[in-house]
Amino acid sequence: GAVVSQHPSWVICKSGTSVKIECRSLDFQATTMFWYRQFPKQSLMLMATSNEGSKATYEQGVEKDKFLINHASLTLSTLTVTSAHPEDSSFYICSARDYQGQDTEAFFGQGTRLTVV
Amino acid sequence: QKEVEQNSGPLSVPEGAIASLNCTYSDRGSQSFFWYRQYSGKSPELIMSIYSNGDKEDGRFTAQLNKASQYVSLLIRDSQPSDSATYLCAVKTGNQFYFGTGTSLTVIP
Repeated sequence: GAVVSQHPSWVICKSGTSVKIECRSLDFQATTMFWYRQFPKQSLMLMATSNEGSKATYEQGVEKDKFLINHASLTLSTLTVTSAHPEDSSFYICSARDYQGQDTEAFFGQGTRLTVV
Repeated sequence: QKEVEQNSGPLSVPEGAIASLNCTYSDRGSQSFFWYRQYSGKSPELIMSIYSNGDKEDGRFTAQLNKASQYVSLLIRDSQPSDSATYLCAVKTGNQFYFGTGTSLTVIP
């Protein structure tokens, strides 16, 4: 299957600082990438859909000024958690689809575990 | 109503038994259906995809889709302890993927 690389795998930051997470599609072009957040023992929650060359589409309740998404190229999307607080501590996962086929599954990055202290 | 619903479990089966995981979805226009497996602290990995009514088999896994009933299931035959994980049902509607809350499966040796 297609490879999606996410970096970093884990990060600890101080409250009030910003953290950037990268999501790369390594062997295919992804015009759309998705960002999810997962709290312990809960399911994936879609935060936003990242569209290459345009603004991201945020799900209801997700603060776009806090979770900045940039999708500057067909292989890279970044999520920046600004002014992080302990309640932002979570597992953040990106996914992308290879649009070569009509019906394609989503491939996930390894996830980033963010801990805000 | 949630887009995709699953029983959260936990579901426990003895080693060698058949594990049956169920999922229902709300949008009749949904086109594609997927089962992902997620180990604790890890990212989901795709197990099966199914697009048309009926059964699709891949090794010990069988996905079943019934669009009329808006129901998709995953059967795991000869369950192994390594199958213990959370199984996520995902439904593609338009350009969006919707995930169920996941079913926790434990295979008891």
